[in-house]
Amino acid sequence: GDSVTQTEGLVTLTEGLPVMLNCTYQSTYSPFLFWYVQHLNEAPKLLLKSFTDNKRPEHQGFHATLHKSSSSFHLQKSSAQLSDSALYYCALRAGGSNAKLTFGKGTKLSVKS
Amino acid sequence: AQTIHQWPVAEIKAVGSPLSLGCTIKGKSSPNLYWYWQATGGTLQQLFYSITVGQVESVVQLNLSASRPKDDQFILSTEKLLLSHSGFYLCAWSLDGGAGSDYTFGSGTRLLVI
Repeated sequence: GDSVTQTEGLVTLTEGLPVMLNCTYQSTYSPFLFWYVQHLNEAPKLLLKSFTDNKRPEHQGFHATLHKSSSSFHLQKSSAQLSDSALYYCALRAGGSNAKLTFGKGTKLSVKS
Repeated sequence: AQTIHQWPVAEIKAVGSPLSLGCTIKGKSSPNLYWYWQATGGTLQQLFYSITVGQVESVVQLNLSASRPKDDQFILSTEKLLLSHSGFYLCAWSLDGGAGSDYTFGSGTRLLVI
């Protein structure tokens, strides 16, 4: 079945430093990859979605590139902000109709001043 | 614009008591609907999905059931709560079942079973 593996646990950064959260996946099909962000006591919200034409999606300074050769979709940002502190989920959706959105275990990002 | 509303916002229930959580989508006809569960500190686990009124598919068995009585409504319920049911319940919708369709989540219901 489909699976998503993320950087586990907590990533702590100083404000202004670059962010990189790892995401690798396994899928029988050619999947779409997503990054969701969940702030404390809120619902997850879509941050990025992979494109089919190898374009690099960007949003709020975050970007991610789908590398099919390495089955990866790492989340990056050049300079972390305090407001980026949140839980980040990588997710995968593949296959035919009604394919399930499968989430990784999530990575908690804590940005400190 | 589409809106998704979940109720209640939070519940504290006794073990063995019944539960009913609701979700309503406005502004989109015939959406795909989903129920997810997130244990404290855990990942998001899909419980059920529905592509049309009256049809619900179970993904994970957690002694819960779901129903879609109307096109815009999705209900999660159980007759007897367990301690393990505690967590954050999220309803979500997508345009269709295609792999490229992302999910939009409601604000969730926090459930504590004591």
